[in-house]
Parts: sequence; C-alpha cells; structure tokens
Amino acid sequence: AQSVAQPEDQVNVAEGNPLTVKCTYSVSGNPYLFWYVQYPNRGLQFLLKYITGDNLVKGSYGFEAEFNKSQTSFHLKKPSALVSDSALYFCAVRDITGGGADGLTFGKGTHLIIQP
Amino acid sequence: NAGVTQTPKFQVLKTGQSMTLQCAQDMNHEYMSWYRQDPGMGLRLIHYSVGAGITDQGEVPNGYNVSRSTTEDFPLRLLSAAPSQTSVYFCASSYSRGSGNTIYFGEGSWLTVV
Repeated sequence: AQSVAQPEDQVNVAEGNPLTVKCTYSVSGNPYLFWYVQYPNRGLQFLLKYITGDNLVKGSYGFEAEFNKSQTSFHLKKPSALVSDSALYFCAVRDITGGGADGLTFGKGTHLIIQP
Repeated sequence: NAGVTQTPKFQVLKTGQSMTLQCAQDMNHEYMSWYRQDPGMGLRLIHYSVGAGITDQGEVPNGYNVSRSTTEDFPLRLLSAAPSQTSVYFCASSYSRGSGNTIYFGEGSWLTVV
C-alpha cells in the first residue's frame, strides 16, 4: 500500500525567507507525486507534479519541488516566501501501477504560516 | 472555463435525512472521484468512476452511493445521514485513469449532520 507522510503540522517562515514543506512517500514501485494548496474554505489547487525526468520540478506561484528517490522525499520549496503563501499544503502520491482505485493518497497536510 | 463544479457549497442535514451532492465537469474527463476531508486526516477516497456506467469503491465507501450516467456528472448520495458524515466533500476529475494525469478538484461541499 502506498502512503505519504508530512512530518510537520505547521511551518512558520518570515516573509522573504526561503521555505520548505517536507514530504516523504512509500510506494511499491516508481511514484507519481503531487503538491496541492488549499486556501480557507476553498478547494485544492494543483501546484506541481513529478512524473519522470528532472528531479527538480517547477510549478505555479514560484514553487518548486525536489524529488529524491534515495530518500523517498518530495519536498516543496520556494526561494522567497510571501504572506499570501499562507495556506494548507498537501503532498499526494498516485499509484504508478494503475488498476485499483487509481486515486491519490494524501498526507495529512501542513499549515504554512508566513509572518510579515 | 468552469472546470469541476460542486453544489451545494454548504448544507446542514438532520440525522437520517438523505441528500445528493452534485458534481459536474466540463473538461470531458473520463475519471471522476469523490473525497472527504477531515481535520488531521488529509483527504480520503470515497468512490470513483473510470467512465460512464462504471463506478467502484474507494477507501471509505460506507454510507455513500454514486452513479455515472453521463461523462459530465458524478453525484454522491447519502441515503441516511449520520453525524460521522459531517465533513468537507470534494469532487475531482482527471483526463483518464493514467497515473500521470493531474487530478483537478472542485471547490468543496461543507456538510454538517446534526
């Protein structure tokens, strides 16, 4: 069975500083990995995904994520945080083998708080 | 460009009542699914569909029914609401079942069962 862990319930960063939101995963084969962001009372917005190829994936709003197969991690990063980045962030994995539900398995989410 | 549209946004039900959460997508996506979001638990898959006329259970299907009569619509039915079904529900879709396809989410339906 696949799983995703987001070890931090909350991450606090000062505006202008770099930010990292951590994610580790467990799958039986090669993973498809995703990051989503959720603003209060809103749906999930897609940020970026890793399918194959370059380990550094660039996404929306200046975010990027680094895939590390040996550490089974897919950390979300941004060089300079904005107050408007404050939101709930979800890491998710999708079963590459197909079949079954083929849905996303989510981590529990990390609250990112950017302080002015 | 509507994407995935869910209705209603907010709903309060009494225990034992039934209701249907509506979901429609205008992207001609084959794969549609329903998730529920509970605090500290992320999102969990309830039911999914890989095309019109085909549905199957996800991780937490008990208490919910679905049908897929058209490509566009994928309603979620609660036959007899229970307080444990108080949650935020998200409908989602992707182009096909292929694992690399991005799954797009609706804006959510906040359901309270009293």
